[in-house]
Amino acid sequence: DAGVIQSPRHEVTEMGQEVTLRCKPISGHDYLFWYRQTMMRGLELLIYFNNNVPIDDSGMPEDRFSAKMPNASFSTLKIQPSEPRDSAVYFCASSLKAKLFFGSGTQLSVL
Amino acid sequence: AQSVTQLGSHVSVSEGALVLLRCNYSSSVPPYLFWYVQYPNQGLQLLLKYTSAATLVKGINGFEAEFKKSETSFHLTKPSAHMSDAAEYFCAVSDPRTDKLIFGTGTRLQVFP
Repeated sequence: DAGVIQSPRHEVTEMGQEVTLRCKPISGHDYLFWYRQTMMRGLELLIYFNNNVPIDDSGMPEDRFSAKMPNASFSTLKIQPSEPRDSAVYFCASSLKAKLFFGSGTQLSVL
Repeated sequence: AQSVTQLGSHVSVSEGALVLLRCNYSSSVPPYLFWYVQYPNQGLQLLLKYTSAATLVKGINGFEAEFKKSETSFHLTKPSAHMSDAAEYFCAVSDPRTDKLIFGTGTRLQVFP
């Protein structure tokens, strides 16, 4: 298995633009997580899904953030409109039986 | 609610010395506990996990951790540090009823020759 695949690896955009981050979890995993990592706040859980259903989105910082999981093999995290303070590394992870595997992350820079 | 506290944001050791990274947890239910390692520009990689079996857990790269319920601790150790161990280490806790992980703030390990 190729592991958790995230795209793009790097994203540079201007304030106000829409940003979409993509994630392909490991086949057969039943949980999917979106985390954000910054120097100031460390690793924050934004939202997670179980069997494609959002379970807890209390970590989503604002209404500008939304996440979907239309099927077991794909999830998106969207920021609209983006702001400079959204600049961070966004990680997707999937798990089965409490063992999480992380993607390589998307480095987002909002200018 | 669950949380973890990692004591010391930076730890420096000499090559060959003992590595000790501290983690204390808080959980309202018997927890699962994890240590992850992150190398620069990479995602997190699982080192080891405790899931209510043996309290001394052995992981990859010679690391191990001991679950101590009385101290609510899950410290990570390695007898002899190697240069390649330099990375950021994260302790995490989860509720066994879900796979949701809550991470500590991380400890950056530096290894000097």
